[in-house]
Amino acid sequence: NAGVTQTPKFRILKIGQSMTLQCAQDMNHNYMYWYRQDPGMGLKLIYYSVGAGITDKGEVPNGYNVSRSTTEDFPLRLELAAPSQTSVYFCASSRPVAGGRTDTQYFGPGTRLTVL
Amino acid sequence: GDSVTQMEGPVTLSEEAFLTINCTYTATGYPSLFWYVQYPGEGLQLLLKATKADDKGSNKGFEATYRKETTSFHLEKGSVQVSDSAVYFCALNGDDKIIFGKGTRLHILP
Repeated sequence: NAGVTQTPKFRILKIGQSMTLQCAQDMNHNYMYWYRQDPGMGLKLIYYSVGAGITDKGEVPNGYNVSRSTTEDFPLRLELAAPSQTSVYFCASSRPVAGGRTDTQYFGPGTRLTVL
Repeated sequence: GDSVTQMEGPVTLSEEAFLTINCTYTATGYPSLFWYVQYPGEGLQLLLKATKADDKGSNKGFEATYRKETTSFHLEKGSVQVSDSAVYFCALNGDDKIIFGKGTRLHILP
C-alpha cells in the first residue's frame, strides 16, 4: 500500500496563476480531507469529503475548490493564487466508524506551495 | 462543539528527562482520542490512540490514558531522546472530522 500520495512536493506560483494539487489514496477510505499548515502553526481544514460526489467546506475554504469523482482521488484547485495561500498543504483520508465518527486519519507527505 | 486544548510550547527538555504534554477535551458522546506526531518536513502520523474511557494507548515509549472524569489525555514518556524532537498534536474524532489541538513543539537537548 502506498497510503496517501500527494503531487507535486513543491511548487512556486505567481500571483493570479492557478493550479491543482493532487491527492490519491489506495486504502479504500470513504473520507478525505485537505488541510493547510502555515509556518509554526497548526492545521486548518479547507475542504473534506465523506464519499464520491459529496464535498463540504471546512474552516478556510475561500480561494479553493474541490471535487470527488472517485473514492481514490480528491484534487484541490487553487484559482487566482495569492501570497496568503503560501503554505504547506496536507491531504488525509480515513474510514467511518459507528456513530458517524471517523477513525484514524492517514496523512500524505504534503505539498509546499509558495506564491510570489 | 467539540474541542481540544493542549499546552502551548515550545517545551525544551534535556535528553533522558520525563515528558508530560497536557491535553484536555470537550465533546458530546464518546469520542476516540489520539496523539499525532509531526517530524520536521513531514506529514502527521498517528502516535497512539484510545477508544474508550480508561484505555491506555502506547507506542515508542509514549503513553496516554483516556480519563473521562477529568476529560484529559495527557502524553507521557519516561526518558526522552533527541529523536523525539517534533510537534505533537492531541485530537479527537468529531462528526466526520478529526478535531486537532494547536500542537506542542518539543525540543530535546543532547
